[in-house]
Amino acid sequence: EPEVTQTPSHQVTQMGQEVILRCVPISNHLYFYWYRQILGQKVEFLVSFYNNEISEKSEIFDDQFSVERPDGSNFTLKIRSTKLEDSAMYFCASSVRGRWEPQHFGDGTRLSIL
Amino acid sequence: AQSVTQLGSHVSVSEGALVLLRCNYSSSVPPYLFWYVQYPNQGLQLLLKYTTGATLVKGINGFEAEFKKSETSFHLTKPSAHMSDAAEYFCAVSFPSTNAGGTSYGKLTFGQGTILTVHP
Repeated sequence: EPEVTQTPSHQVTQMGQEVILRCVPISNHLYFYWYRQILGQKVEFLVSFYNNEISEKSEIFDDQFSVERPDGSNFTLKIRSTKLEDSAMYFCASSVRGRWEPQHFGDGTRLSIL
Repeated sequence: AQSVTQLGSHVSVSEGALVLLRCNYSSSVPPYLFWYVQYPNQGLQLLLKYTTGATLVKGINGFEAEFKKSETSFHLTKPSAHMSDAAEYFCAVSFPSTNAGGTSYGKLTFGQGTILTVHP
């Protein structure tokens, strides 16, 4: 069965550094998402991406964050200048269509900011 | 405000007992509803979904859930728990769009999760 793959599984970064989290969505999917889960808290929506542009973003997704689909397969989340509070598990997801279709999630990238 | 609430952050059952995990949502219009399971060090795996049609939906691993519009609930059940069911379970909701264009791109709002423990 096709899977969403995320790399790396664990990323340790110094505060203030830039970090890029990578995702390969399922190949025929058209909608792409990033979520995060701070330890002990809910899974939170960050951003959705469709037709090569951001379709919706949360309040968390400020100017420090950006997403890109640089080619036909990868979907990346960039955090420009990391803060301690960015430490979390970041999940990528994709779906064939919009809100009535289930999203398929990757295993996540654990981001630790020192 | 639209929200999702899972009653009970921890549920403990004996092997073979009924599993009941509760999920309620707040919305004036019925949303699309999902249950996901997360095993340690893994991503979120879809258990089942409700979009339209029959309100009792069956999922993988013997789980099922019933959409009750009058109660704004979507509780997850399994008649007989197995040790392998021990995991964290998330109720997730895709609410109708509130933007002017009426388009919704499927943002999921999650409950806080319920950790299920199964005792021998």
